[in-house]
Amino acid sequence: EAGVTQSPRYAVLQEGQAVSFWCDPISGHDTLYWYQQPRDQGPQLLVYFRDEAVIDNSQLPSDRFSAVRPKGTNSTLKIQSAKQGDTATYLCASSRGANSDYTFGSGTRLLVI
Amino acid sequence: TQTVSQSDAHVTVFEGDSVELRCNYSYGGSIYLSWYIQHHGHGLQFLLKYYSGNPVVQGVNGFEAEFSKSDSSFHLRKASVHWSDSAVYFCAVSANSGTYQRFGTGTKLQVVP
Repeated sequence: EAGVTQSPRYAVLQEGQAVSFWCDPISGHDTLYWYQQPRDQGPQLLVYFRDEAVIDNSQLPSDRFSAVRPKGTNSTLKIQSAKQGDTATYLCASSRGANSDYTFGSGTRLLVI
Repeated sequence: TQTVSQSDAHVTVFEGDSVELRCNYSYGGSIYLSWYIQHHGHGLQFLLKYYSGNPVVQGVNGFEAEFSKSDSSFHLRKASVHWSDSAVYFCAVSANSGTYQRFGTGTKLQVVP
């Protein structure tokens, strides 16, 4: 079974620039999560989907971040105007249902200068 | 709301020693607990989980964890560590009714040859 695929692996931006992260979950996994992991910290949820529906985006900075999963498969996370505080690794994970183990992608490491 | 804490930021042991990584949680209802491992530059990998039944659960690579309701704990143990076990270990918690997993701040395990 193929794992969770994320791209790009790395991104370097200046403040104010936009960036999109892409995630291809494991086939058949209905639930997809985006986590932000600052350096030397634990992952913190940004948003998660069940199929194409947003279940919880309460921790997504909605003025600059957006996330979609239009067909219930791949997902895109976008930062409209990056800030230095957005520097982190962005992890995508998927699972079959809510209470099951997550499979994580390798993450996208973002540096905003 | 569920919370999880990992009190040890760093643990150093010699190869062949046993190790226990501590995790405490706060939640009043039925709970789903997991441990994940993260090698440098990679995403998280699932190790083991507990949601009901036998409080001692076995995971991959000789890891096990024990759930204690009285202590609100889910500590991870390994009887004899190998240098390849050096990584960051994350404890995660979610409500058994099905929400997203909240991660602790992680414990960095260093195994000295």
